[in-house]
Order: sequence, then C-alpha cells, then structure tokens
Amino acid sequence: AQTVTQSQPEMSVQEAETVTLSCTYDTSESDYYLFWYKQPPSRQMILVIRQEAYKQQNATENRFSVNFQKAAKSFSLKISDSQLGDAAMYFCAYITDDKIIFGKGTRLHILP
Amino acid sequence: EAGVAQSPRYKIIEKRQSVAFWCNPISGHATLYWYQQILGQGPKLLIQFQNNGVVDDSQLPKDRFSAERLKGVDSTLKIQPAKLEDSAVYLCASSPLWRGVGETQYFGPGTRLLVL
Repeated sequence: AQTVTQSQPEMSVQEAETVTLSCTYDTSESDYYLFWYKQPPSRQMILVIRQEAYKQQNATENRFSVNFQKAAKSFSLKISDSQLGDAAMYFCAYITDDKIIFGKGTRLHILP
Repeated sequence: EAGVAQSPRYKIIEKRQSVAFWCNPISGHATLYWYQQILGQGPKLLIQFQNNGVVDDSQLPKDRFSAERLKGVDSTLKIQPAKLEDSAVYLCASSPLWRGVGETQYFGPGTRLLVL
C-alpha cells in the first residue's frame, strides 16, 4: 500500500535562512503526482508546488523548490529566504488515478 | 473568482446526533473532494466526485457517512449517527478537470466538528 512519510513533525528556521522539509513515499506505480500544500494557522490550505513523476526536472516556484529523487522515492521542499508568512503546516501529498494520500505534516516556525 | 465555500464553520453536537455539512466549489470545477482532518494528522480523503458521479468512496464509513453532489455543483456530507471519533475538521476541495488527477486542488476553510 502506498504511504507518505514526513519525518519532521516540527522545524524552526531563522528569518531569511533556508530550510528543507523532507517527504518520502512508498509506491510501485510509475505515474503519479506529488504536491506540497501549506496550511497557515486558521487559514485555508493552498498549493505550494507540484511535480509530475515523469518529469526529471525539479519544480521551482519563486523561493520554493523541490528535490525530487524518483528512485529514492524522496520529495523534499526547500524554502529559500524564509519569511514570517511561511510559518504554517506543510503537507506532502501523493496522488494517482485511484489514490490520494497526504502525509502527517511538518509544522514550520519562522524565528525573527 | 470566489473560492470554495463551506458551512457551517463550526458545529458542536452530542454523540448519536446527526450533522450535515455543505460545500460550494469554485464555479466550473468538475471534481469535488471531501476530506477528514483529525487533529495532528494530514487530510484523509473520504469521497471524490467528478461532476455528480462518485470516483472514489473507499474510505467513507458508509454505515454512518453519506454524501451527495446534486447537479454536479454543491455537495453535502452527512454523519448519522455521530461518534466521538468523528471530531475533526471536514475539508472540501475542488479542482478543474483539465489535467485530471494532476490538477491543483483548491480548499475551503473547513468545518470544525466537535462531538461530545
């Protein structure tokens, strides 16, 4: 069965520094999508970044980038130049035609 | 563009009572999802609709949970009777159908349910 593991329940980073959140998954599928979603306190969950498994190039969205290692089944999120507004729960998600699985999340604290 | 709307935002009920949640997706979005998010965990998919047909309800506890999406737009999720372990945030999300399962999901604010 497919699983998604976020091994860091909480992390802290100084403002303007870089932080990497880890996500590993287990699957026998070759075609799937991976997402990072952000859930700020008392606010709606929003997309941070998405990656198609068939693409070797790592996705990038402004200060957010991923390190997608398909063979290792790893999908980490790097946040550069961390800002106070980045403080939130971050969820990694694995999605195929018949499965949608979210990890348990990593709570990210930004230290001023 | 209006986002995904959900109501009520909060609900407190006693166990064995019934409760219903409502979701209005983004206009034109064909796919609608209901998730259960228990405190400290990630969202768990309960049911996925494409237009007004069910795509996946494998994790929906069908003895007590039901959902419908009439006319392929609004949706309601019902719990009858509620149990203590149903206390959670119920999230609704929608997505367009252009890229299928790879499309971004847009989430509503959620309904926080407390069962006493």
